[in-house]
Amino acid sequence: AQSVAQPEDQVNVAEGNPLTVKCTYSVSGNPYLFWYVQYPNRGLQFLLKYITGDNLVKGSYGFEAEFNKSQTSFHLKKPSALVSDSALYFCAVRRFPNDYKLSFGAGTTVTVRA
Amino acid sequence: EPEVTQTPSHQVTQMGQEVILRCVPISNHLYFYWYRQILGQKVEFLVSFYNNEISEKSEIFDDQFSVERPDGSNFTLKIRSTKLEDSAMYFCASSEPGQGFEQYFGPGTRLTVT
Repeated sequence: AQSVAQPEDQVNVAEGNPLTVKCTYSVSGNPYLFWYVQYPNRGLQFLLKYITGDNLVKGSYGFEAEFNKSQTSFHLKKPSALVSDSALYFCAVRRFPNDYKLSFGAGTTVTVRA
Repeated sequence: EPEVTQTPSHQVTQMGQEVILRCVPISNHLYFYWYRQILGQKVEFLVSFYNNEISEKSEIFDDQFSVERPDGSNFTLKIRSTKLEDSAMYFCASSEPGQGFEQYFGPGTRLTVT
């Protein structure tokens, strides 16, 4: 079984401040980890992924995430948030190698105030 | 940029009726998926499809559900006899072959069963 926890329903930050969205996972075996973002009335847009290699991965729109195996975490970060980053963020995990299904967290709503 | 498309964007149907949700995956992708999100709940995996057959399905995907790739471009989800609890947003996704590739999601079809 695999699962993802996003402990914060909402994150509020001021524009220009650092943004962190937390994610922890549980999976038997090695994980593939993903972050997606959803804007109102839109589908889920891929932001970044961790497959193997460097624990710090960089993605779209200036986002990055750090894989921490000992803490089973994959937190999403952005050094300087923009108002346009306000959206719903989902963390997801897949079990390597043969599972293709994604298990999603409940999502975190990010609000960036001007 | 290629994208996954879904039709219709909103479908209203009466309990017991059959519905077909349609998706056009990205053209060079070979893996196809359906997920659903009941209002206020997590995005849940329904089924994955590869090489013209189901590769994995969840316990949600019972005999009332079926998937088909009727031609080289469309991928459909059929619900034979809809129930009130089938009301949800249904997302189609596709990915390239290979272990590390991310899934790209369509904008979703909101299904309302009355």
